[in-house]
Amino acid sequence: EAGVTQFPSHSVIEKGQTVTLRCDPISGHDNLYWYRRVMGKEIKFLLHFVKESKQDESGMPNNRFLAERTGGTYSTLKVQPAELEDSGVYFCASSPNGGGTQYFGPGTRLTVL
Amino acid sequence: EDQVTQSPEALRLQEGESSSLNCSYTVSGLRGLFWYRQDPGKGPEFLFTLYSAGEEKEKERLKATLTKKESFLHITAPKPEDSATYLCAVQRYSSASKIIFGSGTRLSIRP
Repeated sequence: EAGVTQFPSHSVIEKGQTVTLRCDPISGHDNLYWYRRVMGKEIKFLLHFVKESKQDESGMPNNRFLAERTGGTYSTLKVQPAELEDSGVYFCASSPNGGGTQYFGPGTRLTVL
Repeated sequence: EDQVTQSPEALRLQEGESSSLNCSYTVSGLRGLFWYRQDPGKGPEFLFTLYSAGEEKEKERLKATLTKKESFLHITAPKPEDSATYLCAVQRYSSASKIIFGSGTRLSIRP
């Protein structure tokens, strides 16, 4: 069974540019989560989808971040415009049932110069 | 406020030298406590879920235990391939969407 995949693995952009990260969850998992780790700190929750609906987006830092999950399959996380403090590793996770164990992808390392 | 504190930050052991990692937590309405392993450049890899005080789970050389205030990850006779960062995380009933992570323990096993 394929695990959670994320694309790209690395992205380097300049301040003010736009970047879109993609996550493909494990097949059949209705629940999809986004997390990020910045500046060597703890991994922090961003938001949670159930199918294509946002269940909890309390962790989204500001309105420069937009997450979508059209069709309830893969998800994208767009940062527009990117700021220096957005640099970090963005992880995606999925689970078959909400509130249960979450399975993480390898992450996308975002560097904003 | 929910809090997860892991200790020590880093631990170096000789191969075969058993030890324990600690995770102290403060959370209202614990739904579950998770242990993950993370290798450099990779995402967290699920190890265990513990739901209630007194519960224990084992996998190879690892054993996780849970009390009302903390969890321990015991490593018995570790091997170099056990070197990784071990993350503890909690989930609340009232906010079952998200996992709250600790900062992790970097474990290094010398041959």
